[in-house]
Amino acid sequence: NAGVTQTPKFRVLKTGQSMTLLCAQDMNHEYMYWYRQDPGMGLRLIHYSVGEGTTAKGEVPDGYNVSRLKKQNFLLGLESAAPSQTSVYFCASRRTGGTGANVLTFGAGSRLTVL
Amino acid sequence: DAKTTQPTSMDCAEGRAANLPCNHSTISGNEYVYWYRQIHSQGPQYIIHGLKNNETNEMASLIITEDRKSSTLILPHATLRDTAVYYCIVTTSGTYKYIFGTGTRLKVLA
Repeated sequence: NAGVTQTPKFRVLKTGQSMTLLCAQDMNHEYMYWYRQDPGMGLRLIHYSVGEGTTAKGEVPDGYNVSRLKKQNFLLGLESAAPSQTSVYFCASRRTGGTGANVLTFGAGSRLTVL
Repeated sequence: DAKTTQPTSMDCAEGRAANLPCNHSTISGNEYVYWYRQIHSQGPQYIIHGLKNNETNEMASLIITEDRKSSTLILPHATLRDTAVYYCIVTTSGTYKYIFGTGTRLKVLA
């Protein structure tokens, strides 16, 4: 049982380039989240999804797009990367209903550097 | 969701109990208190949660005051591996958003 898997783990981009981060979960969770964490800071919510085909904005959504075409996958896209998007990105998922429904399971993170 | 306030940092001697406080004075009746920790640059890890009763599991204990306006996470015998950032979050199971604060950086000293 892999849990939440993020790819890639590391990436270096030049300003203006685009890329997609992939989050995959094998726990049949309904909700999925993308967070960013800047050095010495807490986690900030970028976008989230409450089910296949649905997405919503979090605290810091500007400059990012997301898609949830399949229940197990949540993609985070940067159309035109900027140095301010240099960060560690974490994906998380949780199920709905029942005991422990509000417990998040996190991936290992994707470290992105934009030059 | 209720806002939480935690100290920025704390130190604890190895083998002693680490008591991490969290204030959530605007918590509502159906909101739970959740604790996570983040070791170095790893993804946060769930520790424990509670509504109004005290809770204990293999990792920690959670003490919630009677008025529910504050709580304390207790690591009974802290080890060096407990050095991490600890996040206190208040939310309901029906909430879609899941907002983290800046947490408490706990350093366990040898």
